Amino acid sequence: DAKTTQPTSMDCAEGRAANLPCNHSTISGNEYVYWYRQIHSQGPQYIIHGLKNNETNEMASLIITEDRKSSTLILPHATLRDTAVYYCIPQEGNEKLTFGTGTRLTIIP
Amino acid sequence: DTGVSQNPRHKITKRGQNVTFRCDPISEHNRLYWYRQTLGQGPEFLTYFQNEAQLEKSRLLSDRFSAERPKGSFSTLEIQRTEQGDSAMYLCASSPFGGGSSYEQYFGPGTRLTVT
Repeated sequence: DAKTTQPTSMDCAEGRAANLPCNHSTISGNEYVYWYRQIHSQGPQYIIHGLKNNETNEMASLIITEDRKSSTLILPHATLRDTAVYYCIPQEGNEKLTFGTGTRLTIIP
Repeated sequence: DTGVSQNPRHKITKRGQNVTFRCDPISEHNRLYWYRQTLGQGPEFLTYFQNEAQLEKSRLLSDRFSAERPKGSFSTLEIQRTEQGDSAMYLCASSPFGGGSSYEQYFGPGTRLTVT
């Protein structure tokens, strides 16, 4: 499994864009980059995933570098409800998820 | 609600007792996963099923743990002779498989186990 490195914690002002980086320099060619988040006392929630192209959905955008060694999750207009731990997880197919410790994002009013 | 459900949501038990948790996945999902999460850590994989077949078990799953998915629908996770170190949140997730579907996992709210 590819190793990931994420900041332990980040703050972002409400209404601003939150940019969460992730390094995954050992990612294999078949592994997608998945992002999940976990709000306090809830199960993890899928956000978005991508292979090599940038992706956008109703929750977030995902920017993957051309060499695929890193990615950035962008929450375009952060709200207080976006306060959570965010996990970046390389995944191939339906295999198990290997969570790290993630980034604890706090949205400041 | 058509999401993943887990019961009970909380369980307090005394050391040495047996406990059983239930997970009901999203109905059309073939794969079902169990994870365990302790305070301050990310979830750790325990085991997963494709339909009724248990395909992988983590080394974390000691002999005291057993999981079943008898008809390929709901699953149970049993812990025998509980120990204080078993205190954790037990999370269940499901995902579709095959047919070009994407592989995101949908998690339930978890069962919080406290062993006293």
